[in-house]
Amino acid sequence: DAGVIQSPRHEVTEMGQEVTLRCKPISGHDYLFWYRQTMMRGLELLIYFNNNVPIDDSGMPEDRFSAKMPNASFSTLKIQPSEPRDSAVYFCASSRGYGYTFGSGTRLTVV
Amino acid sequence: AQTVTQSQPEMSVQEAETVTLSCTYDTSESDYYLFWYKQPPSRQMILVIRQEAYKQQNATENRFSVNFQKAAKSFSLKISDSQLGDAAMYFCAYSGSNSGYALNFGKGTSLLVTP
Repeated sequence: DAGVIQSPRHEVTEMGQEVTLRCKPISGHDYLFWYRQTMMRGLELLIYFNNNVPIDDSGMPEDRFSAKMPNASFSTLKIQPSEPRDSAVYFCASSRGYGYTFGSGTRLTVV
Repeated sequence: AQTVTQSQPEMSVQEAETVTLSCTYDTSESDYYLFWYKQPPSRQMILVIRQEAYKQQNATENRFSVNFQKAAKSFSLKISDSQLGDAAMYFCAYSGSNSGYALNFGKGTSLLVTP
């Protein structure tokens, strides 16, 4: 397996634009997590899915953020409209039980 | 909600020496797992070691070992024979069934290894 695949690796966008981050989890993993990492707040859980169903989105900062998992092999995190304070590294991780695998992350810069 | 506390923002160790990174956590669950992750400048999250709460024996992985004190809710990481490649951010994390198996991370400890 190629591991958890995230795209793009880097994204630079202008304030107000829509940004979509993508994640392909490991086949057979039934949980998928989206995290955001910043210097100030560390690693924060944004949302997680179990068998493609969103379970807890209490970490999503505001309505500008949305996440979907249309099938077991794909998830997206969308920010619309983006703001400079959304600049961070966004990680996707998948798991089966307590075995977690992280993607390489997407570094988002909003200017 | 479970909280994970790493009280050492930065640590330094000389090559070949031993260093211990501290972590405490708060939970009301009895069944959970604890983890140490390493994040080098490449930003990849690398699992260092994992401990199951119901196992009394401390986990070890080569030069890495933990001191798991369940009653004290403490989970420290010991790195023996430190190498330059050990320099990175180290994150302590907790996961339990009541929290939906999501990893809950501490703020991290930046480890510097000097020659």
